[in-house]
Amino acid sequence: NAGVTQTPKFQVLKTGQSMTLQCAQDMNHNSMYWYRQDPGMGLRLIYYSASEGTTDKGEVPNGYNVSRLNKREFSLRLESAAPSQTSVYFCASSDNNQPQHFGDGTRLSIL
Amino acid sequence: RKEVEQDPGPFNVPEGATVAFNCTYSNSASQSFFWYRQDCRKEPKLLMSVYSSGNEDGRFTAQLNRASQYISLLIRDSKLSDSATYLCVAWGGGSYIPTFGRGTSLIVHP
Repeated sequence: NAGVTQTPKFQVLKTGQSMTLQCAQDMNHNSMYWYRQDPGMGLRLIYYSASEGTTDKGEVPNGYNVSRLNKREFSLRLESAAPSQTSVYFCASSDNNQPQHFGDGTRLSIL
Repeated sequence: RKEVEQDPGPFNVPEGATVAFNCTYSNSASQSFFWYRQDCRKEPKLLMSVYSSGNEDGRFTAQLNRASQYISLLIRDSKLSDSATYLCVAWGGGSYIPTFGRGTSLIVHP
């Protein structure tokens, strides 16, 4: 039982490059979330998907897009990476009002 | 104003000490509450849910005070391995989004 799996674990990009962060969960949760966390800061919600087929903006959506591919998978795309997007990205899943389960993160550096 | 507020600390305590953290929330419709633990550069991990009647898990005790809108976490007999950041979470009121506090840093020293 893997829980929430994120790929890749580490990535270095150049400014302007694009990439997609992948997330998959095997707990049959309805909701999935993407957060970023910067040094000394709390978690900030980028986008979430309350259920398969829906996505909504969180606190800091600018520069990102998401796709809820199916119930298991929720991807985050950076179309044109900027140094300000250097961060640790966490994916999480849960059912409503239940504890979230987090992946172990993607450490992204943009030069 | 942040909807869930925590004292960032750090709380610096010796091994064996008892330490308590409080967390206040502003949404009175919140229904579910949790404490997470986050180690440096790692993902948050659920420590315990918080129930209305209070609950205990080993050395950890969580309490909810709905009237004053705060939750607390008490750690007894602190261990070096308890050093981490503790995040509180409030969820409810018809929202699909939980609200995280920024975390309280705990450092347990020998």
